[in-house]
Amino acid sequence: GEDVEQSLFLSVREGDSSVINCTYTDSSSTYLYWYKQEPGAGLQLLTYIFSNMDMKQDQRLTVLLNKKDKHLSLRIADTQTGDSAIYFCAENEGQGGKLIFGQGTELSVKP
Amino acid sequence: DGGITQSPKYLFRKEGQNVTLSCEQNLNHDAMYWYRQDPGQGLRLIYYSQIVNDFQKGDIAEGYSVSREKKESFPLTVTSAQKNPTAFYLCASSVGTGGLEQYFGPGTRLTVT
Repeated sequence: GEDVEQSLFLSVREGDSSVINCTYTDSSSTYLYWYKQEPGAGLQLLTYIFSNMDMKQDQRLTVLLNKKDKHLSLRIADTQTGDSAIYFCAENEGQGGKLIFGQGTELSVKP
Repeated sequence: DGGITQSPKYLFRKEGQNVTLSCEQNLNHDAMYWYRQDPGQGLRLIYYSQIVNDFQKGDIAEGYSVSREKKESFPLTVTSAQKNPTAFYLCASSVGTGGLEQYFGPGTRLTVT
């Protein structure tokens, strides 16, 4: 079945850039998403990219999509301590509304 | 304020009891979803509903049941048949079934002892 893989942990210094990577298997996905989860809370949609795009920028966030390698990345510029959270990559299954989530990457930002 | 509410935030039950988790949305969204999250794992889909009075099983539906009698409500019942019910449960909704943006509630942490 479809699968989404992420590395589990990333640690950066405040002010540095963070890059969180994700690989997926479903080439028919229409959209790919990045969600943020703070401790004990629900998920917050950060951004998404349509499958016919290579890049999307939204303020400090840059999403890069390499369809050939089925690789998605999220770059956070000027990372702040408030960015510490778990970041989930997700793809929609085929053309429907079901989302397949990765395991989440825990981002730790040190002052 | 528009959004998704889940109640309660923390729920404790004894083994062998059924328990119902509430999910309400006032976003006028057609589709609603239930996910389960375990430590160190991603979200796994339990059930979803694309329209009132209709719902489909997700990847881990065994031991769970749902109903969708109203557009704004999608309660999840964790039955005694669910072998490992202790988890964090998240409800979500989206405008349509294209899954463009799923909005999540704050979650309910269920502990069964």
